[in-house]
Amino acid sequence: QSVLTQPPSVSGAPGQRVTISCTGSSSNIGAGYDIHWYQQLPGTAPKLLIYGNNNRPSGVPDRFSGSKSGTSASLAITGLQAEDEADYYCQSYDSSLSGVVFGGGTKLTV
Amino acid sequence: EVHLVESGGGLVQPGGSLRLSCAASGFTVSSNYMSWVRQAPGKGLEWVSIIYSGGSTFYADSVKGRFTISRDNSKNTLYLQMNSLRAEDTAVYYCARVSELHSFDYWGQGTLVTVSS
Repeated sequence: QSVLTQPPSVSGAPGQRVTISCTGSSSNIGAGYDIHWYQQLPGTAPKLLIYGNNNRPSGVPDRFSGSKSGTSASLAITGLQAEDEADYYCQSYDSSLSGVVFGGGTKLTV
Repeated sequence: EVHLVESGGGLVQPGGSLRLSCAASGFTVSSNYMSWVRQAPGKGLEWVSIIYSGGSTFYADSVKGRFTISRDNSKNTLYLQMNSLRAEDTAVYYCARVSELHSFDYWGQGTLVTVSS
């Protein structure tokens, strides 16, 4: 059972918009710690997609955006493309565990 | 350009030990937060350990007392010493550079550890 809860899977047609939720608690997201999102394509290492709740590293398309409110966060992907099919993970810091926590991951099917 | 290259993975028997290495280039390991993350076959990401620039170390409960994270400043390399290995430690182990926001901004390609008799 992951500390951060994500839906196991989401799907959408090309061109559509999808969102992936990430629910935490008062010791991680709710405590004000930042949320970060990663994309993992099959057989590859994870790649940082969103950092600091809603910031994109250089090279990440603006089709990807993040938001955070209370003890939850969301990743939104607009204009879905076939190449977006991957696993997505949210991540934060947890003060009660004194460590990093990941969500269980969400498989996006396009 | 930042590069992280893990090595040291392989097949080990239950109860055995293994040391993973992560050679870094393009930045200084000792000036950054560094971490290990693992991924069991077909499973999600699991944080393992972190070492801060000041030297403090923290571990996931699942590995506490068995794994030790360290660094060699002269070699610009991160290590993970894994003792008393169990079948459930079987995973691809990634090293990553961690920002001050605790985002993992650079990852290595991973090294596979298989614990089996």
